[in-house]
Amino acid sequence: EDKVVQSPLSLVVHEGDTVTLNCSYEVTNFRSLLWYKQEKKAPTFLFMLTSSGIEKKSGRLSSILDKKELFSILNITATQTGDSAVYLCAVRAGNMLTFGGGTRLMVKP
Amino acid sequence: NAGVTQTPKFRVLKTGQSMTLLCAQDMNHEYMYWYRQDPGMGLRLIHYSVGEGTTAKGEVPDGYNVSRLKKQNFLLGLESAAPSQTSVYFCASSYDRLNYGYTFGSGTRLTVV
Repeated sequence: EDKVVQSPLSLVVHEGDTVTLNCSYEVTNFRSLLWYKQEKKAPTFLFMLTSSGIEKKSGRLSSILDKKELFSILNITATQTGDSAVYLCAVRAGNMLTFGGGTRLMVKP
Repeated sequence: NAGVTQTPKFRVLKTGQSMTLLCAQDMNHEYMYWYRQDPGMGLRLIHYSVGEGTTAKGEVPDGYNVSRLKKQNFLLGLESAAPSQTSVYFCASSYDRLNYGYTFGSGTRLTVV
């Protein structure tokens, strides 16, 4: 059975801090790993990673995949209150995405 | 430019009642999915479809049925609702199963009492 585990479950930081969110996985027929940000409603797409060692960046967010050790990290630098959300990691294997339980991030002013 | 639209947004059902959730997408996507999201459990796949007229079971299909009679619509049915089906339901679609992320609808919050 495919499995995706995220840690920590929740995190409280202050504005300006840097955070690292973790995602480990055990799946057969790995295709890609995706990160989503979920605020109040639908998850919104952040990154898709398919190759090890290649960092994807978007502003203050960056992510990298390690296919040998089966994990990915999502870094957020200089956090802002608008970064408060649940961050979801998902792994695509075959036709389906398997999601982790998410990391709830709260950024305090 | 609607993307993925789910109706209704909220619903309260009594145990044993039935209902249908509608998902409509205007992006000509082949693949459509129904997920449920429960606290601390991420999203779990209920059923999915890889094209018009096709459906397949996901991780938690029991108690649900689906239909994809038209490419743009994916319906999720609950024949006899149970309190364990209280959840937030998300529909998603994608153009290509390998190269694109999913586009999600805004969700349906269902409470079964």
